[in-house]
Order: sequence, then C-alpha cells, then structure tokens
Amino acid sequence: DTAVSQTPKYLVTQMGNDKSIKCEQNLGHDTMYWYKQDSKKFLKIMFSYNNKELIINETVPNRFSPKSPDKAHLNLHINSLELGDSAVYFCASARGGGNEQFFGPGTRLTVL
Amino acid sequence: LAKTTQPISMDSYEGQEVNITCSHNNIATNDYITWYQQFPSQGPRFIIQGYKTKVTNEVASLFIPADRKSSTLSLPRVSLSDTAVYYCLPFSSGTYKYIFGTGTRLKVLA
Repeated sequence: DTAVSQTPKYLVTQMGNDKSIKCEQNLGHDTMYWYKQDSKKFLKIMFSYNNKELIINETVPNRFSPKSPDKAHLNLHINSLELGDSAVYFCASARGGGNEQFFGPGTRLTVL
Repeated sequence: LAKTTQPISMDSYEGQEVNITCSHNNIATNDYITWYQQFPSQGPRFIIQGYKTKVTNEVASLFIPADRKSSTLSLPRVSLSDTAVYYCLPFSSGTYKYIFGTGTRLKVLA
C-alpha cells in the first residue's frame, strides 16, 4: 500500500541516452512534484503539477519533460542525458498547494 | 519566498534533547513553518507544522516566537534512529513552490 512509488529505483545509463522515471501516488492527491537532490544533498524543486496542469517549471533545461497522464501519475522524461544530470530524483504529492507533501523513495540516476 | 538559515550539522548523544533553530527573517504573514526529516536513501518526511507559539506531536515540538523570524524544532530524548537531515520550510497555503534550504544534518552518537 505504498503511497508514492517511483520506478526504477536505480538507473545507470550512458551520456546522450534518453530515459524516463515513473511516479504514481494512491493518495488521491491533485498535486504532484519532481525534485532533484544533488550530491551535496540540496533538494531543489523542478516541476509542480496541479490537476494535470503545469504550475511550476523551475529553470529546468528543455531536455526534461514531465508528463501527467492523469492526477495519479507524473512521469519525467529526460533526453540527451548529461553527466550533470546524475542525482537522486524525488517525486512528491500533496492535496492542493501549501499542504504536507508525501515523497517517494527516490530514483538514483547515474550518467556515465 | 522566505529564505531560511539553519546550522549545517549538529552532534548529540542518545537520550539528550536536541534543539535545531531555523532563521526566516522575511517570513510572510500567511506563511506556516514546516519541518521535514530525511533519512539516508529516503525521501523527506513531514514531521511538524506551526504558525506561532508552540505545537507538539508524538515526534517533536515546534517553538515559534511572537515575531516569527525563527523557529526551533525540539526532539526529546533522541535515539540513534533520529540521525537524519532536518529541513525547515516556510510556505503559505495555496503555494506550489517549496524552497528547501540546506537542512541540518543531525548525528546521534551512542
């Protein structure tokens, strides 16, 4: 009965490849987020979606494209992966804005 | 959005009370203050939220002075399992953008 799940948990790939990370929440929330946490542990918001609509897009390169097929899913597709994309990516969900966020377990992306 | 300042790291011993203070000088009138806890290899987890004075739950207490320019998370009688990074996070209802600061890395020693 995992609340927020992400797949895969680990992702190792070569520079230049395209990869996707999937996120699903079963909490009935209408808002979902993607965060990036780098090696120094800074947790930075990338995108916010509310009711499948993009609300926040934080100076993220165009190579990153989130897609929300429905309110329970927010996937992250990354084109032309670069070394600097190596990080842990967290998905989160919440009920509306300004409320407690529930985070997934994270996806550790390593670009070689 | 209010910028936060927290100590980068703290060490404590098992059984002690730990107080972590966060400074948020430009907090807005309608901002709440939330604290999250992040264990290694896990996502952050909400632990407590308040607006002013004192809030207590089964995990921690949160003290917010009248001017609300700072807040203190208090963890009573910590154990080794409380070793984690603790983030202070002001936000206002209806916002979709959260700014996590550097957090405080708490290490509990035996």
